Amino acid sequence: QVQLQESGPGLVKPSQTLSLTCAISGDSVKTNTVAWNWIRQSPSRGLEWLGRTCYRSKWYYDYAESVKSRITINPDASRNQFSLQLNSVTPEDTAMYYCARDMNYVVDYWGQGTPVTVSS
Amino acid sequence: EIVLTQSPVTLSLSPGERATLSCRASQSISSHLAWYQQKPGQAPRLLIYDASNRATGIPARFSGSGSGTDFTLTISSLEPEDFAVYYCHQRSSWPSITFGQGTRLEIK
Repeated sequence: QVQLQESGPGLVKPSQTLSLTCAISGDSVKTNTVAWNWIRQSPSRGLEWLGRTCYRSKWYYDYAESVKSRITINPDASRNQFSLQLNSVTPEDTAMYYCARDMNYVVDYWGQGTPVTVSS
Repeated sequence: EIVLTQSPVTLSLSPGERATLSCRASQSISSHLAWYQQKPGQAPRLLIYDASNRATGIPARFSGSGSGTDFTLTISSLEPEDFAVYYCHQRSSWPSITFGQGTRLEIK
């Protein structure tokens, strides 16, 4: 059974960097038939896909246009996890952040989510 | 960007009744549509993928249909645990995926 667990600070100051980690169990971050995503949810923006990474002999990355200039997703095969960094945050980045697995772009497993508030 | 519009926003029904939820895409997405159920305090759960395929462990009372731009999720006879928010999701514009705004299914 695949399980995902997000971790990271719940409060970030405006203009700083939001950093979250997703620990994977029951699968490998290097499995070459799946991808690993960050998705957020807020009342104002609904469910919003942020980006993904996948391993197909080498690492690939896709990012949503809305955050492309501010986002980095990094896989860590030694720890079987992947991370999210979102720079220059504003209150609009306040949301529940989920890590998730997709197979052929169908999101089949989600973490429980971690709330992040951007506030001074 | 492909926009998914769900209707109704809220659906009020009683246990045992049939629920019909709609999702319309702003352009054709073939059958690349999935449905999710989300309960308070939980992550979304995959119900249906590729318009009509039930995910592992999903009861047979959940069914999906449609192709192109119009899709339907049907719950044949509502159980108390089915009252939740339902989202549709398209993967046609991969790698970018989008979600609908949700339909809240509430007890009448």
